[in-house]
Amino acid sequence: EVQLVESGGGLVQPGGSLRLSCAASGFTFSDHYMDWVRQAPGKGLEWVGRDRNKANGYTTEYAASVKGRFTISRDDSKNSLFLQMNSLKIEDTAVYYCARSLPYSPQDYWGQGTLVTVSS
Amino acid sequence: DIQLTQSPSFLSASVGDRVTITCRASQGISSYLAWYQQIPGKAPKLLIYAASTLQSGVPSRFSGSGSGTEFTLTISSLQPEDFATYYCQQVNSLPLTFGGGTKVEIK
Repeated sequence: EVQLVESGGGLVQPGGSLRLSCAASGFTFSDHYMDWVRQAPGKGLEWVGRDRNKANGYTTEYAASVKGRFTISRDDSKNSLFLQMNSLKIEDTAVYYCARSLPYSPQDYWGQGTLVTVSS
Repeated sequence: DIQLTQSPSFLSASVGDRVTITCRASQGISSYLAWYQQIPGKAPKLLIYAASTLQSGVPSRFSGSGSGTEFTLTISSLQPEDFATYYCQQVNSLPLTFGGGTKVEIK
C-alpha cells in the first residue's frame, strides 16, 4: 500500500525557517517524481515544486512564489522527501502536502498534509 | 503560466442529480488534464487523468471529457458522498496549475 506521511509543520515567525519531511512507503521511491502542493486556509490548491527522479538527475522546479526561498531534496536510501523553507512569509501559511507523480501525469497519491503557520 | 478557469465555483444539487463542471485552459493542453475531489480536512483524491481516464477504484458515475482548452467533469447521479470540492489541474507544463475549485453542496 502506497503511503506518504508528512511531518515538521508548526508555528514559525515571519522570516524564519522550517523543514518539512515526507516519509514514503509501498512503492519504489527512486522511480517517481515527488511534488509539494499547498493549500492556504479556505483557499484552493497551489503547486509548490517538484523533485524529479534519479533517472532525471534529481532536478528540481519551483513555483515563482517560492523560488529562491524553498528547496526540495530527497534521500532515496530513506525513502524521504524534504522541503526546506527559508525566509517564510505570512502568505506561506498553508497545509503542505507531498504527492507522488510522473511526467505529464497528475499526483496519484497524497499525504495527509502538515500545517505550517507563519505568524508573529 | 497556464490559467485554468472552473465554472461554476459553487453549485447546489440533490442526490440523484446529474452534475457537470467545466474547466477552461488559457492555452491548449491537449489531454493533459486531471480532476480531483477534496472533502474538507482531507487530501485531494485523484478521480480522472488524461482528461477522460478513470483512476482505479473511482466509481463509474464519474466521467471526464474534452481536449485542447475545454474540459468537463460529469457526475451522472450525485451520491451523498460526492458532496465535496472539485479541482481541475493541468499537467501539460510547469508550473502545474489548478482551477479555482467547484464546491458541490446539498440542495
